[in-house]
Amino acid sequence: EAGVTQFPSHSVIEKGQTVTLRCDPISGHDNLYWYRRVMGKEIKFLLHFVKESKQDESGMPNNRFLAERTGGTYSTLKVQPAELEDSGVYFCASSQAVGQNNSPLHFGNGTRLTVT
Amino acid sequence: AQSVAQPEDQVNVAEGNPLTVKCTYSVSGNPYLFWYVQYPNRGLQFLLKYITGDNLVKGSYGFEAEFNKSQTSFHLKKPSALVSDSALYFCAVRGYNAGNNRKLIWGLGTSLAVNP
Repeated sequence: EAGVTQFPSHSVIEKGQTVTLRCDPISGHDNLYWYRRVMGKEIKFLLHFVKESKQDESGMPNNRFLAERTGGTYSTLKVQPAELEDSGVYFCASSQAVGQNNSPLHFGNGTRLTVT
Repeated sequence: AQSVAQPEDQVNVAEGNPLTVKCTYSVSGNPYLFWYVQYPNRGLQFLLKYITGDNLVKGSYGFEAEFNKSQTSFHLKKPSALVSDSALYFCAVRGYNAGNNRKLIWGLGTSLAVNP
């Protein structure tokens, strides 16, 4: 089975520009999560989709961040306009159906975002 | 407040020696505890989890972890370390949320270096 894939693997943009990160979860996984790790800090939850619906977006830093999961398949995370503090590694993860709450998360390799 | 602590930024151990990576947690209710590993330039990989049952949990690559409720700890262990075990290890606990939200709360990570 193909794993969680994220694109791009690296992105370097200037402050004020826009970047869109993409995540393709494992086929059949209803749950999709976005996490972020800023250098030297802990991994922080951003949001959680169940299929195409946002289950919890309490971790989204501010309204410059917009996540979508149209059709319940792949997801995008757009940052517009980017700020310096948005730099970090953005991880996407997926897991099986909603009823299997303790199934482990399957992570992508992450997108390393650098805002200069 | 729910939290996870990994008190050691780095652990060094000689190949063939036993290793321990420490984790303590604070969470409301019964904890669901996880260990993930991140190899260089890769995503996070699930190692093992504790939900209920036997306090000693066995996972991938020969790793195990012991849940200690009185000490609120979930230390990761391996009887004989390999150089290939060198990686970044993250402890995580599932925070209490209503419904099917499975937001994880993460430790800062511990860098394990196994010396030949």
